[in-house]
Order: sequence, then structure tokens, then C-alpha cells
Amino acid sequence: DAGVIQSPRHEVTEMGQEVTLRCKPISGHNSLFWYRQTMMRGLELLIYFNNNVPIDDSGMPEDRFSAKMPNASFSTLKIQPSEPRDSAVYFCASSISGRAYEQYFGPGTRLTVT
Amino acid sequence: DQQVKQNSPSLSVQEGRISILNCDYTNSMFDYFLWYKKYPAEGPTFLISISSIKDKNEDGRFTVFLNKSAKHLSLHIVPSQPGDSAVYFCAATFSSNTGKLIFGQGTTLQVKP
Repeated sequence: DAGVIQSPRHEVTEMGQEVTLRCKPISGHNSLFWYRQTMMRGLELLIYFNNNVPIDDSGMPEDRFSAKMPNASFSTLKIQPSEPRDSAVYFCASSISGRAYEQYFGPGTRLTVT
Repeated sequence: DQQVKQNSPSLSVQEGRISILNCDYTNSMFDYFLWYKKYPAEGPTFLISISSIKDKNEDGRFTVFLNKSAKHLSLHIVPSQPGDSAVYFCAATFSSNTGKLIFGQGTTLQVKP
């Protein structure tokens, strides 16, 4: 049974470029979460969806960040334009209703913005 | 404002001994507490949880203790094994249904053979 799939695993881009991170949650899971991990701020929740609907985006740092979940099996996190301070590891996680705290994380995307 | 704090960045123990990882929180409204484990180049994995109405939860070698009056929880691993070497994150949520987790900074555990 496949876990959460994220792509790409590594992304290096130049400041000002658009970056799109992709996530496929575990089949049957109806909640999806995007996290960012940095040395300074640790692991922080950016946004989460329930049944494809964004529930809480209060962690999204600014308007340059946007996330979508067009269907139950796919989500994207977009940064436009990217800045060097966006460099971090971005994780996607999914869970089922009733046990939303038990989240299954993907391997992460390491983003470097130069 | 860090609501969940892990004050020890690292811990080293001998194989077979007990590992105790600590976590403090500031918000008394937290309803559920979790521990996640993370290996390098992988995402965190759920380890164990505890509801605020309990003071202890055990799962094999892992036990989590909650002291609400002190706003403190701890994870005990006994006996510790080299494969337990990882980063351990404490997390808290206001409801077990929302999934909105607030994580601590993590503690790196090294178990020496």
C-alpha cells in the first residue's frame, strides 16, 4: 500500500521563479496537510484540507503561497514568486476522519531558492 | 510564541537503558498530545498519543506520561535500541478531530550500542 507521495523530492530554483510542489495522499484519507520545516521555525502547519475543502490556511506565510486540492487524490502548493527565505523542506501529510492527529507524512520536498 | 517546547535539543543513552524525552506546553486548552519520530530524509511518523483526560498511555516499549498541572509530558522508551535513534517531536492539538498540530522543535535521540 503506497504511502503519501510527494514530487519532486528536490527542487532548486532561482529567486523570482514559480515553484509547484505536488502531493498524492493515501487513498481513503480525507484530510490533507501541508507543513514546512526550517531550522528557525521548526515544523509548522501551512494549510489543511478536509474533503478537498481548505479549512485553515492561517499558517500560509503570505500571498505568494497558494494551495489547491482539485480532487481527493491530488494537491499542490505553489510559491510565486519564490524567495531565498522560502528554502525549506515541505511535507505533505494525510489522515482519516476521527483520527486526524495520526497523520501520515510523505518524504518531503527539499526546496532551495538561490 | 512557542506553545510547545522541547528544551533538550539532543539526548544520548546506552542501548538497553531508558530514554526520557520531555516536552512542555503553555496552552491549557490543548486536548490531545502526540509524539512523532523522524529519521533523516523521511517524513515524521506517528508514534503514540494521549488524551488530556488521561495521565498515561503505553504501547510496547513506549509510554507517554501527561502532567496537566505542570503542563508537561514525557516519552519513555525502555529498553532503548539503536534503531530508536531519530528526532522525536512532541505535538499538541486543540481537538483530536481537527488535525491542526502544533509541533515542538524536536529532540535528537542517539542510542549507543
